Amino acid sequence: KAGVTQTPRYLIKTRGQQVTLSCSPISGHRSVSWYQQTPGQGLQFLFEYFSETQRNKGNFPGRFSGRQFSNSRSEMNVSTLELGDSALYLCASRRDRDPSYEQYFGPGTRLTVT
Amino acid sequence: AQTVTQSQPEMSVQEAETVTLSCTYDTSESDYYLFWYKQPPSRQMILVIRQEAYKQQNATENRFSVNFQKAAKSFSLKISDSQLGDAAMYFCAYRSARGSQGNLIFGKGTKLSVKP
Repeated sequence: KAGVTQTPRYLIKTRGQQVTLSCSPISGHRSVSWYQQTPGQGLQFLFEYFSETQRNKGNFPGRFSGRQFSNSRSEMNVSTLELGDSALYLCASRRDRDPSYEQYFGPGTRLTVT
Repeated sequence: AQTVTQSQPEMSVQEAETVTLSCTYDTSESDYYLFWYKQPPSRQMILVIRQEAYKQQNATENRFSVNFQKAAKSFSLKISDSQLGDAAMYFCAYRSARGSQGNLIFGKGTKLSVKP
């Protein structure tokens, strides 16, 4: 079974631009979560989508948004990029929202904002 | 709010030796899950081991075992017979057992080096 895939793997953007990151979960997984990883703040939860609905949201500004499609693929969007948005963005999927189900992480998208 | 603390930013172990990584957490909940994740330099986060809070028995996965002390809110990871491939960042994580709070709360991580 293929793992979680994220595209693109690397991205360089300029301040003020917007960016869209994509995540394809493991086949059969309906929950997709996004995390931001930075050296200073560590791993922080962004949001979770399940059945095309945002179920849970972390403490991030409204510039960070996401969506999930009927095939469970998810995208996250960051508008008006700031230097501080430079980070590794990790996507994780799990079969269901039951907390007993494991989350499987993708390789991440490295976003650099200049 | 729940928090997870890893007090050792870096650790080093000799190949074939044993090392223990520390993790403490704070929560008012009685039912939850605890995890150790490994993130090698390739960045793919891999689940190492998990522990359900309602289980008193410590989880074990081959060379990896935990020491779960619920009252002390401590969850350490012991790696036995360390191998070069164990070198990575290790993250301790917490998840509430309440279905609406499925996100993981991570510690800052411990960077483990394995010396040949």
